[in-house]
Amino acid sequence: EPEVTQTPSHQVTQMGQEVILRCVPISNHLYFYWYRQILGQKVEFLVSFYNNEISEKSEIFDDQFSVERPDGSNFTLKIRSTKLEDSAMYFCASSRDRGLTNEKLFFGSGTQLSVL
Amino acid sequence: GQQLNQSPQSMFIQEGEDVSMNCTSSSIFNTWLWYKQDPGEGPVLLIALYKAGELTSNGRLTAQFGITRKDSFLNISASIPSDVGIYFCAGRNSGAGSYQLTFGKGTKLSVIP
Repeated sequence: EPEVTQTPSHQVTQMGQEVILRCVPISNHLYFYWYRQILGQKVEFLVSFYNNEISEKSEIFDDQFSVERPDGSNFTLKIRSTKLEDSAMYFCASSRDRGLTNEKLFFGSGTQLSVL
Repeated sequence: GQQLNQSPQSMFIQEGEDVSMNCTSSSIFNTWLWYKQDPGEGPVLLIALYKAGELTSNGRLTAQFGITRKDSFLNISASIPSDVGIYFCAGRNSGAGSYQLTFGKGTKLSVIP
């Protein structure tokens, strides 16, 4: 069964460093998302991306964050200057459709980001 | 933003028992999704609901989209040890022009063999 794949599974970085989290969405999907989950808390929306542009973002997704689809398969999340509070599990997700009756969002296994 | 109240927060049940959990919202959703998350993994979609009143099953799992569009429940029948995990509800109101999912805080299920 097709799945969303994320690399790396774990990333440790120093505060202030830049990190890039990588995702390969399901191949025929058109809508891409990043969510995050701080340890023990609920999953929170960061950003959605369609047709090579951001379609929606939350207040968490500030100027330190950016997303890119550099080629036909990868979808990346960049954090420019990491802060301690950026430590979380970051999930990439994708869906084929976006609508009332068709959309099913599939998540990757996540990248655990630890900022020291 | 929209808030989802998910209950119970955790539950311990004997293998073979039925389980019920629910989510309520102060505002209307037009999509409800139920996910299961195993430790260190991403949420896995269990059931998707798109219409008020809709009742959908997936094996031993049954979920319903409440008539008021402000609530949903998930039932698991005849629980087995592999049902252990955290179950999340997620809702969306795309009628407000937003496609982001709002997640509940999760129900942690433990099954005692």
